[in-house]
Amino acid sequence: KNQVEQSPQSLIILEGKNCTLQCNYTVSPFSNLRWYKQDTGRGPVSLTIMTFSENTKSNRRYTATLDADTKQSSLHITASQLSDSASYICVVFGDYKLSFGAGTTVTVRA
Amino acid sequence: EAQVTQNPRYLITVTGKKLTVTCSQNMNHEYMSWYRQDPGLGLRQIYYSMNVEVTDKGDVPEGYKVSRKEKRNFPLILESPSPNQTSLYFCASSPTLLAGDSYEQYFGPGTRLTVT
Repeated sequence: KNQVEQSPQSLIILEGKNCTLQCNYTVSPFSNLRWYKQDTGRGPVSLTIMTFSENTKSNRRYTATLDADTKQSSLHITASQLSDSASYICVVFGDYKLSFGAGTTVTVRA
Repeated sequence: EAQVTQNPRYLITVTGKKLTVTCSQNMNHEYMSWYRQDPGLGLRQIYYSMNVEVTDKGDVPEGYKVSRKEKRNFPLILESPSPNQTSLYFCASSPTLLAGDSYEQYFGPGTRLTVT
């Protein structure tokens, strides 16, 4: 069964600090991996989409990495801001199907 | 403005009373999908549609129906809602969802459904 596991489940960081979220997957065959940001009560919004050949991709203060050999991805948030408080969802597309992780809830405190 | 709209945004209903949640997109996308989101479980796919008149079950289709009679609309129908269908529902669309595509999915604002 294709699975996507995210860690940690939640984390709290101080404004201005960095953090890294992890995503491990077993989806096969693999097409691409997506990171979404979901603010409370709103729909997810795409941050990055990475294909097999891409190791890293940045979107403003968000940097995603992908190791397709070990089937691991990370999302690094640099110089966090209060507006980064949200749930971050890892989604893997493979075998014509999207597999969703349960998400990591990030809380940024002043 | 390119967007996915859902109606209603909030709905409280009683067990057994049929309801429809509408979803519409104005981006001419072929692929549309419905998800439910429950605490600790993340997003789970209910049904999806690769194109007009083509629909297929996702991971949790029981108790739901969909139709795709035109490209822009993809309504979710609960013929006889039950309390375990209380959830936050999202509709999403994408240009396509074929192997090798890297199109992002656009999500609607969500519909919070409570079945008592």
